[in-house]
Amino acid sequence: QSALTQPASVSGSPGQSITISCTGTSSDVGGYNYVSWYQQHPGKAPKLMVYDVSNRPSGVSNRFSGSKSGNTASLTISGLQAEDEADYYCSSYTSTNTLVFGGGTKLTVL
Amino acid sequence: EVQLVESGGGLVQPGGSLRLSCAASQFTFSSYSMNWVRQAPGRGPEWLSYISGGSRTIYYADSVKGRFTISRDNANNLLFLQMNSLRAEDTAVYYCARGVVTADYWGQGTLVTVSS
Repeated sequence: QSALTQPASVSGSPGQSITISCTGTSSDVGGYNYVSWYQQHPGKAPKLMVYDVSNRPSGVSNRFSGSKSGNTASLTISGLQAEDEADYYCSSYTSTNTLVFGGGTKLTVL
Repeated sequence: EVQLVESGGGLVQPGGSLRLSCAASQFTFSSYSMNWVRQAPGRGPEWLSYISGGSRTIYYADSVKGRFTISRDNANNLLFLQMNSLRAEDTAVYYCARGVVTADYWGQGTLVTVSS
């Protein structure tokens, strides 16, 4: 199973919105509504921010939102804040009963 | 709050073995499927293995099939990963993570370094 494709980096200024894309295939992203997004700060474990394409776990800010179209999922962060600076990873359930992750996107808040 | 605490990592020579453990608390462990996921330095996470709550269903990534074995002890809320024939490319932080289609909670990870 090949890793999902994410841009290596994105950046934005405080208060702005950014979107991170995650491209897979019909065997993963396109085939299931089981796309998740994780935030990871240096030296920390990944934290779930969005699951099932567009749902937020309790306690996650509504500034984080997810969507999907075909084989590409997206994470949008609105009202950027300094603490949003981190690495972001997407994940999808697959047709072989596995999970596949993206290579990660480094978000820089300017 | 769900807690997952990994242990057992360390430095091992190529060809060696390690057994990782993950202690779970604050949820009904036997009711949940569990996974092992690793992350090499500077890379994205890589899913390794899945085990259902009752251990009846187990899956492995091709990269570790035949070398790694996942198991669990529901009586003591423990998840294990037996790693044999370790290679330099197995060097990574190893996480246990709860869930089936979503890994919703992760431990803090344990570092495995394979080097001579």
